[in-house]
Amino acid sequence: AQSVTQLGSHVSVSEGALVLLRCNYSSSVPPYLFWYVQYPNQGLQLLLKYTSAATLVKGINGFEAEFKKSETSFHLTKPSAHMSDAAEYFCAVSDEGFQKLVFGTGTRLLVSP
Amino acid sequence: ETGVTQSPTHLIKTRGQQVTLRCSSQSGHNTVSWYQQALGQGPQFIFQYYREEENGRGNFPPRFSGLQFPNYSSELNVNALELDDSALYLCASSLGGGDLRDEQFFGPGTRLTVL
Repeated sequence: AQSVTQLGSHVSVSEGALVLLRCNYSSSVPPYLFWYVQYPNQGLQLLLKYTSAATLVKGINGFEAEFKKSETSFHLTKPSAHMSDAAEYFCAVSDEGFQKLVFGTGTRLLVSP
Repeated sequence: ETGVTQSPTHLIKTRGQQVTLRCSSQSGHNTVSWYQQALGQGPQFIFQYYREEENGRGNFPPRFSGLQFPNYSSELNVNALELDDSALYLCASSLGGGDLRDEQFFGPGTRLTVL
């Protein structure tokens, strides 16, 4: 079955520092992979997705992620954190039927001045 | 163009009661997926509706049921509420029968508390 592991339930960075949120997946078929952001009391917003095209995917708000099949990873990065990036981030993988999303448990990003 | 809306925003029920949550999909979208997000967890897929028919179901008991209407809005019904049903319920609309290459747009959710 498909699954996602997000390492670190909380990540703290200083404003202007590199953001790195880790995601490893398990999939029996070549997956689609997604990163979503959730701000307090709001739904999920898609940051970026990988659907078997270019392995380096650029998303909104300066985020990007690289699909590494050999490492079964899809880590999310941003060169310079901004206070407004503080939120919960979820990595998700497609199920075998490419119909539903299987989410990780999330990583809360804290940004300090 | 309006986004995905959900009602109510918050709801408090007691064990054994029944609840109906509502979702209005984004204009032009024919597919609605429902997710349950327990506190501190990622969302879990409940089921999906495409053109008024159930189009896939997650690992949830039959007391979780749904409907999709001709205007593609949707309802999630939960019978015989249990304490563990307390969660944020999210709906997401998309175009194309649930193909994940099409972006799913999420609503803000309904926070259900079962006492």
